Amino acid sequence: DAKTTQPNSMESNEEEPVHLPCNHSTISGTDYIHWYRQLPSQGPEYVIHGLTSNVNNRMASLAIAEDRKSSTLILHRATLRDAAVYYCILRGYGNAGNMLTFGGGTRLMVKP
Amino acid sequence: DVKVTQSSRYLVKRTGEKVFLECVQDMDHENMFWYRQDPGLGLRLIYFSYDVKMKEKGDIPEGYSVSREKKERFSLILESASTNQTSMYLCASRLRQPSGVNTEAFFGQGTRLTVV
Repeated sequence: DAKTTQPNSMESNEEEPVHLPCNHSTISGTDYIHWYRQLPSQGPEYVIHGLTSNVNNRMASLAIAEDRKSSTLILHRATLRDAAVYYCILRGYGNAGNMLTFGGGTRLMVKP
Repeated sequence: DVKVTQSSRYLVKRTGEKVFLECVQDMDHENMFWYRQDPGLGLRLIYFSYDVKMKEKGDIPEGYSVSREKKERFSLILESASTNQTSMYLCASRLRQPSGVNTEAFFGQGTRLTVV
């Protein structure tokens, strides 16, 4: 199974952009890149996903490297409510692609 | 609103007890998951079910079993609870992922189980 590597923690100032990196050098051609986040005392929630092209939604943007071996989750203006653990996950499709396993994630701290 | 509901937010059980953790989803999802979360260890997959009566072991199935008799309900069973099973347990559900489609998973709020 392809693995992801993320920094254990990152700090950001409120109202500034945050770039959360994820390395996935063994990614296969069918693996989607998913991001989830877990706010304190809550279950994880979906943030965004992509395959090859960069993606935007109301929560964040996902920038995927051309070789797909890394990706970056971008929060355009961090707020205190964005303080959470962010998980980068690779998802294949087909039977194996239905499993959902998490790595350690990045703990984002946002300073006022 | 989509919902994954776990039966208890907090649970205290004695060593050796049989413990049932229940999870119900109202989205008609085929896939359901049980995880445990411990400080410094992240989210670890215990069991996964891809249909009624169908299951696969995750990364840490030892000491646990599961039951999926109905599509909407996925139960995690601790046959004989031990103190090292004190943890936060999270349930999730998701549509089956056919080729070329990827959808998000929805999580419950978690059950904090303490085994004394």
